[in-house]
Amino acid sequence: SAVISQKPSRDICQRGTSLTIQCQVDSQVTMMFWYRQQPGQSLTLIATANQGSEATYESGFVIDKFPISRPNLTFSTLTVSNMSPEDSSIYLCSAITGVGGYTFGSGTRLTVV
Amino acid sequence: GQQVMQIPQYQHVQEGEDFTTYCNSSTTLSNIQWYKQRPGGHPVFLIQLVKSGEVKKQKRLTFQFGEAKKNSSLHITATQTTDVGTYFCAGDTGGFKTIFGAGTRLFVKA
Repeated sequence: SAVISQKPSRDICQRGTSLTIQCQVDSQVTMMFWYRQQPGQSLTLIATANQGSEATYESGFVIDKFPISRPNLTFSTLTVSNMSPEDSSIYLCSAITGVGGYTFGSGTRLTVV
Repeated sequence: GQQVMQIPQYQHVQEGEDFTTYCNSSTTLSNIQWYKQRPGGHPVFLIQLVKSGEVKKQKRLTFQFGEAKKNSSLHITATQTTDVGTYFCAGDTGGFKTIFGAGTRLFVKA
């Protein structure tokens, strides 16, 4: 299956600022997915990103807070905007790259202070 | 809303003991996937089950999908310390709507 490179791996940010997370897939994929995972918790889908169209956001997540770009079939970014301590979490990108199942990036551990 | 319930939340076993985690969905699933997440790592895809009553094996791991396609289980025979981590089931309700269970964290004592 494909490999997804995600960066940064971790960051500590000041409240009120924004952080952009990047994911690069080593093959072309139609859909990419962005998840949030609180430490020790399950994964919550933030949005689905298709190339050439606006991302589809899940309930509780809005574009102004989590803008997503998908400029081509191998790359996507998620921005966490106007951060507050409640945004501290692990953010994961993923894609369906093989026979079933999702391949995940290595995650971005975000701490907002 | 649609939910995938997973139990137990934690399991402590002695190395060599067996381990089972269970998932139950409130709705019929088109498929179910299983992932393993090592401490500090990211989820890694293990397997996907699609057919009613399907059973698949990967070495010491046995995966089952219920006849009604609403429940699934992962059984590990003779656990090893390398099995430590959190095991997630993820149910696909169709249209790439995949719902992850809460996960079962496995601790293995040598």
